[in-house]
Amino acid sequence: DGGITQSPKYLFRKEGQNVTLSCEQNLNHDAMYWYRQDPGQGLRLIYYSQIVNDFQKGDIAEGYSVSREKKESFPLTVTSAQKNPTAFYLCASSIDRSQTVNTEAFFGQGTRLTVV
Amino acid sequence: AQKVTQAQTEISVVEKEDVTLDCVYETRDTTYYLFWYKQPPSGELVFLIRRNSFDEQNEISGRYSWNFQKSTSSFNFTITASQVVDSAVYFCALLSGGYNKLIFGAGTRLAVHP
Repeated sequence: DGGITQSPKYLFRKEGQNVTLSCEQNLNHDAMYWYRQDPGQGLRLIYYSQIVNDFQKGDIAEGYSVSREKKESFPLTVTSAQKNPTAFYLCASSIDRSQTVNTEAFFGQGTRLTVV
Repeated sequence: AQKVTQAQTEISVVEKEDVTLDCVYETRDTTYYLFWYKQPPSGELVFLIRRNSFDEQNEISGRYSWNFQKSTSSFNFTITASQVVDSAVYFCALLSGGYNKLIFGAGTRLAVHP
């Protein structure tokens, strides 16, 4: 079945470490997104990519980095510069910018990151 | 500025009650899209509905219905005869401008008790 796969489901990070969250989709979608979710808040956009080898900062990109070397993959690295990384991270994809009006964004099941 | 406000943080109802989740949005664009997503305890966001700014017809899908009113910038969601399985966090979202990103509200946690 087509969909978005995020791994791992739970991730623990020591302070000062970088960690990478995986997001893979087999929907042939051009656009991919990373959101962060904190308790009592809506989702906030970290980074998005509309095409391979291109990505843009969202609202809260500081302390994060991404790459888009393949259409189906959009990994997110949480760097040591991110001072408060404990959160729930959601990856999403949609067909592409020009066709977003005809479709919705599909979400993965999320990765819960905890700093220990 | 673009903004989505879900003023109800938590709602608790007894099974079979009707419940309405409010959503108020702000945008200067004349073309925009509104969404509702459901987030069950598993964490994944499940798409419920998409509405464009030119279509103000209300929509009904089974026990779910949506009331879109541009005059009040609202896109409210009603669940009729609620069930325990409806318990989740519900997000309203706005897509406008360059269609680059969804702007989410803070979400409303709905608890349906037997």
